[in-house]
Amino acid sequence: QVQLKESGPGLVQPSQTLSLTCTVSGFSLTSYHVHWVRQPPGKGLEWMGVMWSDGDTSYNSALKSRLSISRDTSKSQVFLKMSSLQTEDTATYYCARDRSELSGDGYFDFWGPGTMVTVSS
Amino acid sequence: DIQMTQSPSSLSVSLGDNVTFTCEASENIYGFLAWYQQKLGKAPKLLIYGATNLEDGVPTRFSGSGSWTNYSLTISSLEPEDIATYYCQNNHVYPLTFGSGTKLEIK
Repeated sequence: QVQLKESGPGLVQPSQTLSLTCTVSGFSLTSYHVHWVRQPPGKGLEWMGVMWSDGDTSYNSALKSRLSISRDTSKSQVFLKMSSLQTEDTATYYCARDRSELSGDGYFDFWGPGTMVTVSS
Repeated sequence: DIQMTQSPSSLSVSLGDNVTFTCEASENIYGFLAWYQQKLGKAPKLLIYGATNLEDGVPTRFSGSGSWTNYSLTISSLEPEDIATYYCQNNHVYPLTFGSGTKLEIK
C-alpha cells in the first residue's frame, strides 16, 4: 500500500530555514521519483522540485537558490530544506510520487496529506 | 516557464449536469497534460494523464480531450462527490506548472 506522509514544524520564523521530511512506504525511493509541491492558503499549486530515483535532483528555478532536496533511502525518507523563509512561503507542503517507475512522467499518482507551514514571528 | 490558464475560475452547476473545464497552455505541450481534483482540505487526486487517459479507479464519467495548447476535462452527469476544485498541469517541460484552478459549486 503506497503511502507518503510529510512532517515538520508548523511554525517557522521569518528568515529561518524550513526542514520537512516525507516518509514513504509501499515503494522504493530507488525506483520512483518523489516531488514536492506547495499551496498557499486559498491559492493554486506550485511545483518545487524532485528527488529522482537515481539520487539526482531538479528544482524550480524560482526557488533554486533557497531549496535543497535530499534523501535517506535506508529510512525511506526524502527531505526538503528551504532557507530565508518569508511570509509568502506560508503554505501547505505536499510530497507526491511520480506515477511512472524509473522513467518518470511528472504525473503524481499518490500524495501525502500535506503539512501546513506558517511563516510568522 | 509554460503558463497554464484555466477558465472560468468558478463554475456554478446543478447535479446531473455535464460540466466542461478548459485549460490553455502558453505553448504546445504535445498532450503532456494532467487533470487533478482537489477537495477542501485534501491533497489533489490524479484524474487524467496524457490529456486523455483515465487514472485507475477514476469513474468513467470523467474524460479528457485536447491537443496542442487547448485541453478540456468533462464530467458527464455531475455527482455530489464531484464538488471540488480542478487543476490542469503541464508535464511537457520542467518546471512543471499548474493552472490556477476552477472551483465547482452547486447552484
